[in-house]
Amino acid sequence: KQEVTQIPAALSVPEGENLVLNCSFTDSAIYNLQWFRQDPGKGLTSLLLIQSSQREQTSGRLNASLDKSSGRSTLYIAASQPGDSATYLCAARSGAGSYQLTFGKGTKLSVIP
Amino acid sequence: DAGVIQSPRHEVTEMGQEVTLRCKPISGHNSLFWYRQTMMRGLELLIYFNNNVPIDDSGMPEDRFSAKMPNASFSTLKIQPSEPRDSAVYFCASSLAREAFFGQGTRLTVV
Repeated sequence: KQEVTQIPAALSVPEGENLVLNCSFTDSAIYNLQWFRQDPGKGLTSLLLIQSSQREQTSGRLNASLDKSSGRSTLYIAASQPGDSATYLCAARSGAGSYQLTFGKGTKLSVIP
Repeated sequence: DAGVIQSPRHEVTEMGQEVTLRCKPISGHNSLFWYRQTMMRGLELLIYFNNNVPIDDSGMPEDRFSAKMPNASFSTLKIQPSEPRDSAVYFCASSLAREAFFGQGTRLTVV
C-alpha cells in the first residue's frame, strides 16, 4: 500500500526566501506525482504534474523534481511571497491499472512579509 | 469548462438524517474520486470510479456510506444515517488518466 509523507508539517519563512518542500513515497511504481495548493476553506488547486518518465517540471517560480528510485519529490519555490502562504500537498498516483491518488498530509507554509 | 462542480457547498444536518452529496465531473474525464478531509486524518480516498464503474471502494468507512455514478456526468455520495463523526469536508475529483482536478468541496456538519 502506497504511503506518502511530507516533511516538514509546517514552515515559516521571511518574504523573498527560496524554499524546498519535501515529499516521499514508499512504492516507486507510480504513474505520476502531482503537487497541489490548498488555501484555508478552499479546494485543491493543481500546481504541477510530473509523469513517472520525467525528472522535473517548472511553472513560473515553482519547480518540482521527481526521483522515483529514491521515492522522493521536492517542490522548490523561488523568491517566496506572502501570497504563497497555503498548505501544499503532494499526491502519488499508482499505475498498473489502479490510478489511485494517495496524498501526504501536507506542509503548511507561512511567508512572513 | 467550469471545472468539477460539487453541491451543496455547505450542509448542516442532524444525526440520523440522510445526506446526499453531488458531483459533476469535468466533461470527458473518465475517472472520478471521492475524498474526505479532516484535520486528524488528512485526505482519505473513499471510492474511485473508472468509466462509471466503482473500482476501489475499500476506503468507504462503513455500510452507512454509498456512492453511485449513474452516468459519466454525475455522481452521488450518500450517508445514511449520518453521525457527528462524519463531519468533514468531502471532495470530488475527476481525471483523464493524468492530472486530477478537484471541486471546491462540501463541508458537512452533523450535529
